[in-house]
Amino acid sequence: AQSVTQLDSQVPVFEEAPVELRCNYSSSVSVYLFWYVQYPNQGLQLLLKYLSGSTLVKGINGFEAEFNKSQTSFHLRKPSVHISDTAEYFCAVLHGSSNTGKLIFGQGTTLQVKP
Amino acid sequence: GAVVSQHPSRVICKSGTSVKIECRSLDFQATTMFWYRQFPKQSLMLMATSNEGSKATYEQGVEKDKFLINHASLTLSTLTVTSAHPEDSSFYICSARGLGLAGGNEQFFGPGTRLTVL
Repeated sequence: AQSVTQLDSQVPVFEEAPVELRCNYSSSVSVYLFWYVQYPNQGLQLLLKYLSGSTLVKGINGFEAEFNKSQTSFHLRKPSVHISDTAEYFCAVLHGSSNTGKLIFGQGTTLQVKP
Repeated sequence: GAVVSQHPSRVICKSGTSVKIECRSLDFQATTMFWYRQFPKQSLMLMATSNEGSKATYEQGVEKDKFLINHASLTLSTLTVTSAHPEDSSFYICSARGLGLAGGNEQFFGPGTRLTVL
């Protein structure tokens, strides 16, 4: 069975500092990985996704993630965070085929950006 | 493009009543819609998957008679919480996936519905 583990429940960081949100997955088949952001009382917005190809994936709002098959990781990074990046971040793996599968979410990481 | 709406955004009801939540894909045809439940400070838990014109597939532990899902058209799915109780209070989020949209592998999420049962 596929699963996702987000190693940090909360990550506090100062504004303009770099940040990394960690995500590890377990899967025995082809992997499709996603990072979503959720602002308070809102739905989820896709930051980026990895389906195949280049292991470094660039997303919106200056975020990027690197797919590492040997370490079964898909960590999210941003070189310089803003106050507006404060939100909940979810890593997810697609369970099943690319166009019929369902998303399995990690527990979420709260990014707290301090001034 | 690829906008999903939910209505209502917030609902408060008395225990024992039923509540219907609508999920609409505004600019694409959603062949598959998903319903999630999210408790405070927790992740999204998939409740069910519905394909247009067929019965929903419920996840293990989700009562299908309590959470009625209808996906009657390619742009609308509804979740009805029947005989709601305080423990059903939660944030309900829907998502939709459409063929030919983003390669068919991306789900687009609605803004969520906050249900409070008194």
